[in-house]
This record gives sequence, structure tokens and C-alpha cells, in this order.
Amino acid sequence: EIVMTQSPATLSVSPGERATLSCRASQSVSSNLAWYQQKPGQAPRLLMYGASTRATGIPARFSGSGSGTEFTLTISSLQSEDFAVYYCQQYNNWPPITFGQGTRLEIK
Amino acid sequence: QVQLQESGPGLVKPSETLSLTCAVSGYSISSGYFWGWIRQPPGKGLEWIGSIYHSGSTYYNPSLKSRLTISVDTSKNQLSLKLSSVTAADTAVYYCARLQGFGDFWGQGTLVTVSS
Repeated sequence: EIVMTQSPATLSVSPGERATLSCRASQSVSSNLAWYQQKPGQAPRLLMYGASTRATGIPARFSGSGSGTEFTLTISSLQSEDFAVYYCQQYNNWPPITFGQGTRLEIK
Repeated sequence: QVQLQESGPGLVKPSETLSLTCAVSGYSISSGYFWGWIRQPPGKGLEWIGSIYHSGSTYYNPSLKSRLTISVDTSKNQLSLKLSSVTAADTAVYYCARLQGFGDFWGQGTLVTVSS
């Protein structure tokens, strides 16, 4: 099973600033990596797939990078609606599909 | 637009079987893609439960495989989840999703509590 590790667990950033979230895989997942945003009481929302492809309707301030075992989600200028929990997920080698434990992005 | 809606009992007794249904609209399951279930215990992260291809081939999380059955009913355009011998550890919000590796469409989720 591929273990996904996200860091940091909690990230405090001011609105308008840049946020950088990290995700590491225990073995290579190539570019088969997705990012999700989840707000309280809501289902996860797909942000990125293929490590760097934005899903439909996702603003350009969200960008993803990386391949192999190291991945980054960057939010270039934080808006109030971006404060949420973010999860990475690998789909290169499944079953099982595995998720990271999440990064909580909070207002500083 | 693809929409998914979970339904089923919100309370299940320990040792019994949890049964959920996911109704899909806006897309025919028989046309393709994987479809699956993910759960999230209160205050915790996401756990993949299992996936099913439109043809009926299933892929289960090894940690749940012995208790799990996922099926599709293409005539009703829905998928189903059955998890047997539940314990309090199975208390979670259960989501269904279209899973093409990643989940691009999700249901709103349904909370299932395991308690006597």
C-alpha cells in the first residue's frame, strides 16, 4: 500500500498571501496524484488531477506540481473561500486508492 | 451534470449489516467509468472503501474486503454498498463518487452511526 504523507498538518496564512502545501508518496506514483478541497459539512471537491491539471471550474490561482514522490499544491493569493482542509490522493497503484491525512489551511 | 445521492439508514446496530444506495443521474453507469465509495469518520480523514467498474468488476480496500460487497444495478442507474458485522469504528460519513482514479463527482454524503 502506498502511504501518502501531507505537510504541514495545519498551515496559517493571511488572505492575499501564497500558500504551499506538500504531499509525499512512500513510492513513486508517477503523475497520478489528485488534490481535493473540503469545507465543513461538504463533500470533497476535486481541484487537480494528473498532479498539475486543474479540474473544471477551478480558479487559476490554484496550481499543482511534482511527480514521482514529491508534490505541491500552491494557492497564489488566498481568498476567504480557500480556507479549508486539503487532501492529496494517489491513483497510480491501486487497490487501494490512498489519501493523505489532510492539511488544514487556516486564516492567520 | 453528473449528480450522485446516497441513501440508507442513519443508524445501524453493532454486528449488523450497513446498506447504502447511491442514485446516479446525468450519466449512465453502463456507459463507463469506475464508481465507488469513500468514508470519513467524524473529524478524521478520507478512506477509500472500494470501487466497481460499469461491467461489475470490483476492487476492495483489503482492510474491509472480508465484510464488503459493492454492486451496480444498471437498470436503476445506482450502486450499492453492504458492509457486514459493523462496529463503532465503521461510524462515518459515507460518500459515493465517480472514480476515474480520482473522484470528479461526489455525492453529498450520508452519516451512518453504529450504535445499539
